[in-house]
Amino acid sequence: QKEVEQNSGPLSVPEGAIASLNCTYSDRGSQSFFWYRQYSGKSPELIMSIYSNGDKEDGRFTAQLNKASQYVSLLIRDSQPSDSATYLCAVISGGYNKLIFGAGTRLAVHP
Amino acid sequence: DADVTQTPRNRITKTGKRIMLECSQTKGHDRMYWYRQDPGLGLRLIYYSFDVKDINKGEISDGYSVSRQAQAKFSLSLESAIPNQTALYFCATSDLETGAQETQYFGPGTRLLVL
Repeated sequence: QKEVEQNSGPLSVPEGAIASLNCTYSDRGSQSFFWYRQYSGKSPELIMSIYSNGDKEDGRFTAQLNKASQYVSLLIRDSQPSDSATYLCAVISGGYNKLIFGAGTRLAVHP
Repeated sequence: DADVTQTPRNRITKTGKRIMLECSQTKGHDRMYWYRQDPGLGLRLIYYSFDVKDINKGEISDGYSVSRQAQAKFSLSLESAIPNQTALYFCATSDLETGAQETQYFGPGTRLLVL
């Protein structure tokens, strides 16, 4: 079992819709969770971090964390074509604070 | 100027050659990392360093070595390059923030092709 799992996609949504990206993790002791966005050929950039159960909102982005079920999700409201990218879920796992990445979900927002 | 820089940005080399990828940062962070990215596999940690005297292997360190020359510089070497080391390589930095919740910042990447 991979430590951090994501559906590879592509997830295709129409412009203006809500995009929902999901991630599950295996280390129950994980405490810190991140969503990175990566455009093709570019480096990952952090868009959201979440540390406590519940929702965290930042503009059009909402991260949701459920530690009991070991999943974290990212909602993108009013999706735009510029949101088309690969979204990487990352979890700090292990006693030495290593960041473990999922393989990413490719999102395509079509006009 | 970019906070995390990598050189070279692109490199083509032949099997058996030794090459070095360099990373520099102006963020003043203690922690530095090297990752490789392959299609469908996400980012995988090669080596990481929490300060100048600390070097640790990641999940895929075989065939690689690193050097932390200073707080701001972290180099990755391929002693004898092989074709399956063809990948996109990223350097990242982080600093331990309050509550042990850290964010990593990535360089622009080095695209390596081993023939």
